[in-house]
This record gives sequence, C-alpha cells and structure tokens, in this order.
Amino acid sequence: DQQVKQNSPSLSVQEGRISILNCDYTNSMFDYFLWYKKYPAEGPTFLISISSIKDKNEDGRFTVFLNKSAKHLSLHIVPSQPGDSAVYFCAARTRSNDYKLSFGAGTTVTVRA
Amino acid sequence: NAGVTQTPKFQVLKTGQSMTLQCAQDMNHNSMYWYRQDPGMGLRLIYYSASEGTTDKGEVPNGYNVSRLNKREFSLRLESAAPSQTSVYFCASSEANGGETQYFGPGTRLLVL
Repeated sequence: DQQVKQNSPSLSVQEGRISILNCDYTNSMFDYFLWYKKYPAEGPTFLISISSIKDKNEDGRFTVFLNKSAKHLSLHIVPSQPGDSAVYFCAARTRSNDYKLSFGAGTTVTVRA
Repeated sequence: NAGVTQTPKFQVLKTGQSMTLQCAQDMNHNSMYWYRQDPGMGLRLIYYSASEGTTDKGEVPNGYNVSRLNKREFSLRLESAAPSQTSVYFCASSEANGGETQYFGPGTRLLVL
C-alpha cells in the first residue's frame, strides 16, 4: 500500500512558466518530506526538503509547500527551465518506520522551449 | 570524491543465475541502502544497513541478500534470479539512519531473461 502518491505521471510546461508538482500522503506520522530529481541513466539527487513543523521552504527557484491537514505537499518551480526536465520523486519518512524513506511513483516534467 | 559508485552498470542474466551488485561510498557515511525502481512504482527499499555490522529488511527483501562488507561497501546478492527481478537497482548512503539526505549511485540496470 503506497503511503506516498504522485497522481500525475507527467507534466508539460512552457519555459519560463511555473511548474507545480503534487504529492499526497496517507501516514500522519511522517515528519520529514523530500523531493528528489532524476535524469535518465543517473541516480536521484536531493532537491529540497521540508520538516513537518513548517509549511513552506524555499531554495532559489524551488519552493515546497506542506499542508498537513490535507496531507498534501507541492513543489513549485519558478521559472521553469529546460534543465528542469527530469523525473521528480516525492519522499517521506517517519521515526516509527525507522526513518526509512517512502517514495512516490514520480512525475516526469518536460519543459518546452 | 566519487560519492556513491555501483558496478556493474548493466547486466543480463538467465533465470536461475546468481550475481552480486557492488556498491561503495567514499563519504564516510554510516548508513547504506538498496532500492529497486520499477515503472509506476517509484523507488522501493530492498535492504538497508543503518550502521556497519547491521542489516535490516526493507519493503521488498524476498529473493535478495545483502552484506555490509565494511563501512564503505554494501553488496546486494541475487541467489537465483527471476524475471520479476528485472529492474533498475540503486544504492544510496546517508550520514546516519534517518539522515535527511540520501546520496544515490548511478544505478545498475538488470535484465533477467
């Protein structure tokens, strides 16, 4: 039973516009959330994270929002650039699961020129 | 500083054959992980080693064994490969179990015929 869900397998966005990636989770014990980015034939790389005690974290063009009551988080990329074309994974962890990461299925983002 | 390295990059096996996937990290991390990535499934944890000398099962351990050879190296063994083990395998490491960031290797693509 997947506890972290990314319901949009793909997203296409024009260069310069905003990309919004969504992630829902079912386990209310998750205390830390992460986004990873993956290019083809490479391993995932850490992008940005947020603790459950916050509702927003910003790093340059990337902002993650957390809505605990809705068990929902989103990643905003503004402005989108061609190099942002990749697969984005949402992940979450909980102390009750020995801090192991649970990953969503990923969203493939394509930035059009 | 190579980060996390994995060998081989690609392997084809016949059903019933065995093989060992190698992983090494040079970041002096305590914790190491093995994941598999399948289409539509995200990354699923196979086994992990919270510290040298310990190993624990993840979400999908059946058909696999692991060895934490030393602090740097964590290998994954398939004793009798099955077509269902066709996947991309990623090794990762983190400073500590529950470390906020896991660093991933480039992956091993395995095809079992």
